[in-house]
Amino acid sequence: TQLLEQSPQFLSIQEGENLTVYCNSSSVFSSLQWYRQEPGEGPVLLVTVVTGGEVKKLKRLTFQFGDARKDSSLHITAAQPGDTGLYLCAGDNAIGQASYDKVIFGPGTSLSVIP
Amino acid sequence: GAVVSQHPSWVICKSGTSVKIECRSLDFQATTMFWYRQFPKQSLMLMATSNEGSKATYEQGVEKDKFLINHASLTLSTLTVTSAHPEDSSFYICSARASMWRPGRPFRDTQYFGPGTRLTVL
Repeated sequence: TQLLEQSPQFLSIQEGENLTVYCNSSSVFSSLQWYRQEPGEGPVLLVTVVTGGEVKKLKRLTFQFGDARKDSSLHITAAQPGDTGLYLCAGDNAIGQASYDKVIFGPGTSLSVIP
Repeated sequence: GAVVSQHPSWVICKSGTSVKIECRSLDFQATTMFWYRQFPKQSLMLMATSNEGSKATYEQGVEKDKFLINHASLTLSTLTVTSAHPEDSSFYICSARASMWRPGRPFRDTQYFGPGTRLTVL
């Protein structure tokens, strides 16, 4: 059974600060996604990383996939109040032939950016 | 991007009644749909995976007789919570995926999530 861990679980920072959220597993994933969720809404996909060592940037967000494809990080530069939300990493267990593959979610990191 | 809708967005019901939640892919055909539940300040927990035209696969600990899933078409999946009780109160989220794993592809098409349904059982 694959298990994704995220750290920190909660994070409260001042506007303008930088932060990094980590997603770790003992298993290898074919791809890994990062989502952002606001209260009462469904998760919104931010990025998908596929290749080990891959780095993707989305404005002030930088995503990295570990070389071994077991871990990932999300770095936010100059955080803004609008970045507040629950950040979820999810691993796609696509290795194999089964049709009923599934995506496993990490426990999430709740980020609060204080103006 | 692809759009997934859920209906209703919220529902309040009495204990013992059944509630049906619909999940629709609006601009693509979803061969696979997933149902999740999420408790406050927690992550999404996968309940079941359904493929169009076949029985759903339930995760361990999820009662298939209580959470009935029907995926009768490529654009619609329904989750029925039967004989709901207060402990079933939760945020239910569906997601839809356009295609299944195919040889040569490193990953399948992205999951697109619905906006969720808030169920409150009194």
